[in-house]
Amino acid sequence: EDQVTQSPEALRLQEGESSSLNCSYTVSGLRGLFWYRQDPGKGPEFLFTLYSAGEEKEKERLKATLTKKESFLHITAPKPEDSATYLCAVAPFQGGSEKLVFGKGTKLTVNP
Amino acid sequence: GAGVSQSPSNKVTEKGKDVELRCDPISGHTALYWYRQRLGQGLEFLIYFQGNSAPDKSGLPSDRFSAERTGESVSTLTIQRTQQEDSAVYLCASSLRLAGGPPVYNEQFFGPGTRLTVL
Repeated sequence: EDQVTQSPEALRLQEGESSSLNCSYTVSGLRGLFWYRQDPGKGPEFLFTLYSAGEEKEKERLKATLTKKESFLHITAPKPEDSATYLCAVAPFQGGSEKLVFGKGTKLTVNP
Repeated sequence: GAGVSQSPSNKVTEKGKDVELRCDPISGHTALYWYRQRLGQGLEFLIYFQGNSAPDKSGLPSDRFSAERTGESVSTLTIQRTQQEDSAVYLCASSLRLAGGPPVYNEQFFGPGTRLTVL
């Protein structure tokens, strides 16, 4: 069964304190891995897509990396506005299905 | 441009009643998805529409759940005889999925969701 596990469930950082969020996955075959940001009361907002091991993508203070078993979302010198729940999802090879399998998310709080 | 919109934003219903949730995708997006997000849980895939192809209904949890889509436009998710365990946020997403296109997975744009509470 395709599965995504995110850790930690919650993370509190001080402004400027860099850290990483983990997403480990087991899938029959990986078409892509996705990171989303979700603010309270809103739908997820797309951040990155990664397709193959070794790939990295950056956006402002965020950097996503991918290995064959896990992905990391590195947050460098975070600011309070980075506070949100970060979701990881995978697109498995499943015939013609286009579904994404999501983890439960990591709730990040950045204190000023 | 306008994003994905969903209505209503909140719905409170009594157990056993039917509810209809609506999704307006981004204009021109060929693919539409419904997900459910229960408190403390990850998003669960429900159903996927792509153009005129048969929808992927593999995520629908029971036959009380159904969805329709009019062409490449509006979609409605219907839950019949609602149960308390149906309480969740129902999210709709759309993407520009080109049939026969390159094997890349296009970004899904999400709406704000409908919060359903079944009393």
